[in-house]
Amino acid sequence: EPEVTQTPSHQVTQMGQEVILRCVPISNHLYFYWYRQILGQKVEFLVSFYNNEISEKSEIFDDQFSVERPDGSNFTLKIRSTKLEDSAMYFCASTAGVTKNIQYFGAGTRLSVL
Amino acid sequence: GESVGLHLPTLSVQEGDNSIINCAYSNSASDYFIWYKQESGKGPQFIIDIRSNMDKRQGQRVTVLLNKTVKHLSLQIAATQPGDSAVYFCAESGVGGKLIFGQGTELSVKP
Repeated sequence: EPEVTQTPSHQVTQMGQEVILRCVPISNHLYFYWYRQILGQKVEFLVSFYNNEISEKSEIFDDQFSVERPDGSNFTLKIRSTKLEDSAMYFCASTAGVTKNIQYFGAGTRLSVL
Repeated sequence: GESVGLHLPTLSVQEGDNSIINCAYSNSASDYFIWYKQESGKGPQFIIDIRSNMDKRQGQRVTVLLNKTVKHLSLQIAATQPGDSAVYFCAESGVGGKLIFGQGTELSVKP
C-alpha cells in the first residue's frame, strides 16, 4: 500500500540552527501539507502546497518557515532559525484532491530543539 | 471561528464492548469529516470519513454518525479490541482542504 514517508524520524538541533524535514508523498498525489503536534496536544495545520506554491498557511507558519518541492518527489519543510517552542512532531500529509479527499499522513519527524 | 472539539479526553472500555467517541464542531458550513486513529509514536491513520449529505456511514467494525442539527459527530467501534487502544481525533476539512483537528480522545481497552 502506498504511504507517505518522512525522514529523519528524530532530529535534535541547537536553538538558532536551521533544520530541514523531508517527506516523500504518495506518488500520484497533488496536494501536500505540513502539520505539527506539540506533545500531548492536537494536530495543528501549518501549510498546504499545490502546483509548486503555497495554497494556505497558518499563523504558526511565519517567516522562519518555508516549504519546497525541489525535485518533483520530495516535499521539504525548512525552519531557518529554530526556537525552543518549535519542538514538536511534524507530520507531512498528501491527498489526491483538495476537498473531500482523505489525507494520508507520514509517521512524523520528532524535532527536539535544545 | 472554526473549531472542532471532543467531549471526553479519555475513555476506558472492556475488551469486547462497544466504544463511542464523540466530537462537536462549530462550523455549520463544514461538509466533510474524518476520524483518525493515532498510536503512540505514529502519524494519524485514517479510519473513516463522512460527507455532510450523509447521516451515517459504516466501515469494518466502525460507524460514524453525523448530526448536523446539533453539529455532533461520533465514532462507534464494535467489539473493541486491545489493538484499538489509541488516541482518536475527529477532523473537519476546511476551505482549501486543510484539516482542523479536535483535541483527541484516548481510548484504553482493558483485557
